[in-house]
Amino acid sequence: DTAVSQTPKYLVTQMGNDKSIKCEQNLGHDTMYWYKQDSKKFLKIMFSYNNKELIINETVPNRFSPKSPDKAHLNLHINSLELGDSAVYFCASSQEVAGELFFGEGSRLTVL
Amino acid sequence: QKEVEQDPGPLSVPEGAIVSLNCTYSNSAFQYFMWYRQYSRKGPELLMYTYSSGNKEDGRFTAQVDKSSKYISLFIRDSQPSDSATYLCAVSQGAQKLVFGQGTRLTINP
Repeated sequence: DTAVSQTPKYLVTQMGNDKSIKCEQNLGHDTMYWYKQDSKKFLKIMFSYNNKELIINETVPNRFSPKSPDKAHLNLHINSLELGDSAVYFCASSQEVAGELFFGEGSRLTVL
Repeated sequence: QKEVEQDPGPLSVPEGAIVSLNCTYSNSAFQYFMWYRQYSRKGPELLMYTYSSGNKEDGRFTAQVDKSSKYISLFIRDSQPSDSATYLCAVSQGAQKLVFGQGTRLTINP
């Protein structure tokens, strides 16, 4: 039974399109995150939600909009995709402050 | 200056060798120190977790934190081919925000 699941796993799209990635966790955690991992494996936090409330919003273009309908779900919508958005996007969750992060398997986005 | 610096490697060693992976960080306020392991095409998974300075051992893995030098290490004894992965250090001062190093790609050759 997958703890943190993301869909889709792979996404190939054209520049200018809009796309969404969905994430669900069944661990009962209060906090969920979106991380971006670039081609050099550098993993950087984008957003964090705690009980559906946005608590971390790093310097991310407005084209990226997270949405948390409930504490088990965190979706990421990206408008007007650019070449530089190509990366692997990881969803994660944690129960405690600075506690263990549980990651999904990643959604590999390729923008052509 | 990046908050966390980690040599990306790649690092290749023979099976059975002792592996040393290291990170340095710039902010003395960091209190939580972690090592994550990431297999190819998978998400990172927590390997070791330390709070403040000192050593922590778990089987073949030992994590060391030296806050005076702002230096953290992961040692792998009797390395196995299954240890081949990317190892990411991560630091935090709380507030649910982890800062990751770039990751070191490690290959253990049989």
